[in-house]
Amino acid sequence: QKEVEQDPGPLSVPEGAIVSLNCTYSNSAFQYFMWYRQYSRKGPELLMYTYSSGNKEDGRFTAQVDKSSKYISLFIRDSQPSDSATYLCAMRDDKIIFGKGTRLHILP
Amino acid sequence: GAGVSQSPSNKVTEKGKDVELRCDPISGHTALYWYRQSLGQGLEFLIYFQGNSAPDKSGLPSDRFSAERTGGSVSTLTIQRTQQEDSAVYLCASSLRARQETQYFGPGTRLLVL
Repeated sequence: QKEVEQDPGPLSVPEGAIVSLNCTYSNSAFQYFMWYRQYSRKGPELLMYTYSSGNKEDGRFTAQVDKSSKYISLFIRDSQPSDSATYLCAMRDDKIIFGKGTRLHILP
Repeated sequence: GAGVSQSPSNKVTEKGKDVELRCDPISGHTALYWYRQSLGQGLEFLIYFQGNSAPDKSGLPSDRFSAERTGGSVSTLTIQRTQQEDSAVYLCASSLRARQETQYFGPGTRLLVL
């Protein structure tokens, strides 16, 4: 089993919909969880950063961590075409491990 | 301030040739990383530099790949005798100090081996 599993998509949703992106992991030592966003032909950029379990909200984005299930989610409310990108989850113990990324398309 | 920069943006080469890819990290960042990203494979860790410590080369896929970091700043990734399977986007990232800290990525070098 890979340390971090992420469905590569692509995921296509209509503009305005709520988007749910998810990752599962196997290493219970992970304490810090991140979501990176990568636009086409660009490098990934940090979007959100969460410590341990719980929710963190930033505008239209909510990051959720369930350590008991080893499952993290990123929710995007009122999705916009500009949200179309690849979203990579990442988590760390002594180093950062990235998921493969989910390609998201928001259809206008 | 300036972010991580990489050059060239794109590189097309013939199978068997050597290529050099360059990364300029954020000024003051002591940790530097190289990753390879190909369709369906996600971010594949290649090598990590931290200050003057010996680099972590555990991700280099073969001895055709090597990297160096001169003066604790600029880094060069070299691929010798390129193969078609080396075609990918090579991303560089830097972080302030340690491996656990937030990584800031450059735009990548898109390598195509014909």
